[in-house]
Amino acid sequence: GENVEQHPSTLSVQEGDSAVIKCTYSDSASNYFPWYKQELGKRPQLIIDIRSNVGEKKDQRIAVTLNKTAKHFSLHITETQPEDSAVYFCAAFSGFQKLVFGTGTRLLVSP
Amino acid sequence: DAGVIQSPRHEVTEMGQEVTLRCKPISGHNSLFWYRQTMMRGLELLIYFNNNVPIDDSGMPEDRFSAKMPNASFSTLKIQPSEPRDSAVYFCASSLQGEAFFGQGTRLTVV
Repeated sequence: GENVEQHPSTLSVQEGDSAVIKCTYSDSASNYFPWYKQELGKRPQLIIDIRSNVGEKKDQRIAVTLNKTAKHFSLHITETQPEDSAVYFCAAFSGFQKLVFGTGTRLLVSP
Repeated sequence: DAGVIQSPRHEVTEMGQEVTLRCKPISGHNSLFWYRQTMMRGLELLIYFNNNVPIDDSGMPEDRFSAKMPNASFSTLKIQPSEPRDSAVYFCASSLQGEAFFGQGTRLTVV
């Protein structure tokens, strides 16, 4: 079955710096890769996604890249702000309609 | 649409009691997922349904756990008998073609 690995588990940056979170997946049939942000005590919220026919997607300060050959995808946050502090999860959606999550990255942005 | 609706939001029960968690997915979504979240294990996929049919229940930890989806607008996750180690936040999510939205979760405490 699908296995998603996510690194790093924690990431501390200064406000204004960039943050990068990386994920790998195992199932070559996976074709959709969403990213979720979870604030303390709240539900995971979809922030950006990418499908397998696209290599990069941007939405203001966040971007996601996908390398299908290497089975890697990454989340990039530029000009980080304290309100970006949260746990971020990557996920992979396989051809069997299964959505599997990575283990999460706790991002701390210090003012 | 009101989004994915879960009930109850909080549940405190004694060890050995039966617990039933409920979920109403977003209308029109064809996939429904049950996740368990703990600090130690992150977001674990317990079971998922596609068009009301259970596709993969390999994440269900033990026979004490069962899930049903009698129709497109309702699903339950039952734990019988409950144990203290079942204490966690249980999320339901629904999706159409991968884009999944989470309910607010049920925080279960088994004492």
